[in-house]
Amino acid sequence: KAGVTQTPRYLIKTRGQQVTLSCSPISGHRSVSWYQQTPGQGLQFLFEYFSETQRNKGNFPGRFSGRQFSNSRSEMNVSTLELGDSALYLCASSLALTGNTDTQYFGPGTRLTVL
Amino acid sequence: AQKVTQAQTEISVVEKEDVTLDCVYETRDTTYYLFWYKQPPSGELVFLIRRNSFDEQNEISGRYSWNFQKSTSSFNFTITASQVVDSAVYFCALSEPSGNTPLVFGKGTRLSVIA
Repeated sequence: KAGVTQTPRYLIKTRGQQVTLSCSPISGHRSVSWYQQTPGQGLQFLFEYFSETQRNKGNFPGRFSGRQFSNSRSEMNVSTLELGDSALYLCASSLALTGNTDTQYFGPGTRLTVL
Repeated sequence: AQKVTQAQTEISVVEKEDVTLDCVYETRDTTYYLFWYKQPPSGELVFLIRRNSFDEQNEISGRYSWNFQKSTSSFNFTITASQVVDSAVYFCALSEPSGNTPLVFGKGTRLSVIA
């Protein structure tokens, strides 16, 4: 079974631009979560989608948004990019049949650099 | 509130040595799940183990073993006869079924195995 895939793998943007990252979960998984990883803050939860609905949201500004499609693929968008948004963005999928009890499997991440 | 502490920021060992990575967690729930993930230089988080709060049996998988002790709120990870390929950042994580976050991560421990 194919793992979680994320595109693109690397991205360079300038301040003020916006960016869209994509995540395809493992086949059959209905939950997709997004995390931001930075050297200073570590791994921080952004949001989780389940059956096209946002189920949980972390403590990030409204510039960070996401959505999930009927095939469970998910996108996250960051508008008005800031230098501090430079990070590795990781997507994870799980069956999530019973809330936060299932194992999350991660993709390779998208490394975003904001200049 | 959920919290995971990995006090060891970096560990360096010589190949074939045993090494233990510490993880201490905080939770108010009686039902929760603990995880370990490995992050090699490529960036992808690789799932290693999931343990629920009602199962305190230690687990061994090849050179890897895990010691779960509820009395001390610890879930330590030991690598026996370490190899260079074990060099990575290792994360301990916690999830609560009723929580607002699928996973709360520790800051990670960077393990360097020297040949």
